[in-house]
Amino acid sequence: NFMLTQPHSVSESPGKTVTISCTRSSGSIASNYVQWYQQRPGSSPTTVIYEDTQRPSGVPDRFSGSIDSSSNSASLTISGLKTEDEADYYCQSYDSSNVVFGGGTKLTVL
Amino acid sequence: QVTLRESGPALVKPTETLTLTCTFSGFSLSTSLMCVSWIRQPPGKALEWLARIDWEDDKYYSTSLKTRLTISKDTSKNQVVLTMTNMDPVDTATYYCARSSGSYLGGTLDYWGQGTLVTVSS
Repeated sequence: NFMLTQPHSVSESPGKTVTISCTRSSGSIASNYVQWYQQRPGSSPTTVIYEDTQRPSGVPDRFSGSIDSSSNSASLTISGLKTEDEADYYCQSYDSSNVVFGGGTKLTVL
Repeated sequence: QVTLRESGPALVKPTETLTLTCTFSGFSLSTSLMCVSWIRQPPGKALEWLARIDWEDDKYYSTSLKTRLTISKDTSKNQVVLTMTNMDPVDTATYYCARSSGSYLGGTLDYWGQGTLVTVSS
């Protein structure tokens, strides 16, 4: 089984840009899609990025996803930070037999 | 409108078997490419995928928990059932069911239930 490693926490000021990384331990990050979920306290997760770079309808274009094969990692970038973006963010990917979530990153907008 | 709702006991004793039901609407598990997964989240911790069942009744389980899990579906009732045997206090978590679509295992979980908290304690 592979693991997805995320920073435990990140913080940034409103209006700024933040990037959250998600590094795959084994197997190519590019071989299987990566999804990103946002979870606010007391709520169920919602999708902010799917299939590496796609944004569901209703998600602002301030959210973007990317893949970097050289570092075997995926990234979620949020620009023009708003206080409402403060939440936990989880990456998710898979292989032929397992679905894996990252450990989650707590984003603080201060 | 797609909705999912988890139901089951809030409290189970160690060594007991947990049975959770996901009742959904707005889609059918007999429709091609439709899938339902179970995911759990211990208090203050990360999400953990448990199992998935798809429209063809193919089943996938977490490698670390597969000996304890069974997932099944009742298409006529729009329900998916997860059983987990030999419950332990470390299994205390909020259990979610979620829908995905697509032929690949890690499809986007686009609709989630509100979750049900299960506490394991004697």
